[in-house]
Amino acid sequence: QVQLQQSGPGLVKPSQTLSLTCAISGDSVSSNSGAWNWIRQSPSRGLEWLGRTYYRSKWYSDYAVSVKSRIIINSDTSKNQVSLQLNSVTPEDTAVYYCARGWGFDIWGQGTMVTVSS
Amino acid sequence: EIVLTQSPGTLSLSPGERATLSCRASQSVSSSYLAWYQQKPGQAPRLLIYGVSSRATGIPDRFSGSGSGTDFTLTISRLEPEDFAVYYCQQYGGLPFTFGPGTKVDIK
Repeated sequence: QVQLQQSGPGLVKPSQTLSLTCAISGDSVSSNSGAWNWIRQSPSRGLEWLGRTYYRSKWYSDYAVSVKSRIIINSDTSKNQVSLQLNSVTPEDTAVYYCARGWGFDIWGQGTMVTVSS
Repeated sequence: EIVLTQSPGTLSLSPGERATLSCRASQSVSSSYLAWYQQKPGQAPRLLIYGVSSRATGIPDRFSGSGSGTDFTLTISRLEPEDFAVYYCQQYGGLPFTFGPGTKVDIK
């Protein structure tokens, strides 16, 4: 079955870059029917979709306006994974971060609690 | 951006009772791209319903979704002990995808 395994640091200093990866098993990151999303959840902001990447003969990405100037979502076909980079983080970026497949998100990673603190 | 509001904030019910959860959108949800999720503490959300009324794989038939346009409903016909959780609606008909604030179903 399809599984998403997240990895990355749980503590990031303010102004630095948050980097997470999501390893995909049981599906292909470059599937022509798939999409790979990053979502975060915090008590103050609830569930917030951050962005996605997907392949339709070429790679596309869409991002939420709230983070558009600071976010990059990339794919690595050799490792069958997607990554999230969020630059210039502040304490307001403290949240549980999830990767998820699709549009109605049918498969989720286990979540990574990321704290932004010095 | 489509804003989703959910009501009630908390629903206190007993096992065996029927739960009716509401989700209202600030504008019409395109192509009925509305989903419902269940989340328990310490877990990722689980997809229950997509496309307004289609049950996801493995979801029992006591869960059903309905609605159109801007008004949607998740119904749990008879609450089982494992159904006490937080439920979120989400629209994926337009960017950015957005979630509602959630309805907590707790034990009365």
